[in-house]
Amino acid sequence: NAGVTQTPKFQVLKTGQSMTLQCAQDMNHNSMYWYRQDPGMGLRLIYYSASEGTTDKGEVPNGYNVSRLNKREFSLRLESAAPSQTSVYFCASSEDEGISSPLHFGNGTRLTVT
Amino acid sequence: AQKVTQAQTEISVVEKEDVTLDCVYETRDTTYYLFWYKQPPSGELVFLIRRNSFDEQNEISGRYSWNFQKSTSSFNFTITASQVVDSAVYFCALDNFNKFYFGSGTKLNVKP
Repeated sequence: NAGVTQTPKFQVLKTGQSMTLQCAQDMNHNSMYWYRQDPGMGLRLIYYSASEGTTDKGEVPNGYNVSRLNKREFSLRLESAAPSQTSVYFCASSEDEGISSPLHFGNGTRLTVT
Repeated sequence: AQKVTQAQTEISVVEKEDVTLDCVYETRDTTYYLFWYKQPPSGELVFLIRRNSFDEQNEISGRYSWNFQKSTSSFNFTITASQVVDSAVYFCALDNFNKFYFGSGTKLNVKP
């Protein structure tokens, strides 16, 4: 039972570099999310996708882009990384069948931008 | 606007003590859901409980209990007879049409 799988687990980037964080879920969930976690700030929503083919901005979308490639996969791209994007990134999914469903989280990606 | 406040940044207790983690939320919607998640030192996020805005019954699950009071917009979490394994960061979250808003978390340290 893989659940939500994120890659990579760790990444170090230099300012200005780009990268894509990958996320896949095998639970046939409709909704997928990207959060970032910073000390003292909890989890903040970057982008979410309520269904295949749709994406919407969350609280902190600036500097990020997303792609809902298919029902299983939801990627997060940093086009030009900045030190302020140093954080732990979590992907999550939920059933979202007309009733609020719990989020199922991946194990996180620890990103450092120098 | 949706907001979740966990005013307790960090709490330390000795094993077997009871501890309550506070959660206060803000929303203008009449239909919403509240959640608690646990993040142990290993880093993963684990779902603990979901409560909808129409169900104010308290819930008990083993040593865990939750008190939901709409009148005070609070959804507090109590651990009875705490154990070292309860040491973690606990997050309260509000779900409004599948956009989850998290509090900043409360770090619980349970000492033997």
